[in-house]
Amino acid sequence: DAGITQSPRHKVTETGTPVTLRCHQTENHRYMYWYRQDPGHGLRLIHYSYGVKDTDKGEVSDGYSVSRSKTEDFLLTLESATSSQTSVYFCAITEPGEEAFFGQGTRLTVV
Amino acid sequence: GESVGLHLPTLSVQEGDNSIINCAYSNSASDYFIWYKQESGKGPQFIIDIRSNMDKRQGQRVTVLLNKTVKHLSLQIAATQPGDSAVYFCAEKDSSYKLIFGSGTRLLVRP
Repeated sequence: DAGITQSPRHKVTETGTPVTLRCHQTENHRYMYWYRQDPGHGLRLIHYSYGVKDTDKGEVSDGYSVSRSKTEDFLLTLESATSSQTSVYFCAITEPGEEAFFGQGTRLTVV
Repeated sequence: GESVGLHLPTLSVQEGDNSIINCAYSNSASDYFIWYKQESGKGPQFIIDIRSNMDKRQGQRVTVLLNKTVKHLSLQIAATQPGDSAVYFCAEKDSSYKLIFGSGTRLLVRP
């Protein structure tokens, strides 16, 4: 398996609280992605990064922010969690022209 | 358990038959395409890829066909096995390296 670790793997949080999910890689890949996966919607891109401090929005970026201060870490923050953000979140890494490798996912429940 | 397959199109095949899973992509500028397999509770796993300068690529028991004229991808699985039961996603990547997924197809293999 590619060296990608997501933390935490499971989290339950209350509406209105901030939440940060972490993706850590040991592959030195330039590109990192955050997706959410909900029943019937497949994987939807939230944000992605193409280098340290270089990030861009995906399809469903509202309510989320990201940061990448080091090559190996890509953080996803929900500033004020809502029930609609209950989902499974996946991180992925890739290099140009190569397939993306995925983490094991984080199951987030907002109550 | 994982409910990613809920509400997705489902293809049901007899063990030993060939399976064909189709995907329409949206971005005519996409130049790299990937098929992923996702089993319950796991992140997507790479199956096979194809670049836009090709129209066919074969792997072990799998073949991907690309028709750029109609923006269509297909994944063919030969001699389908019970272990092939999963949700299958196509994904496209363009020069911005934004990796976008299709909605997925659930493959069920009948014994």
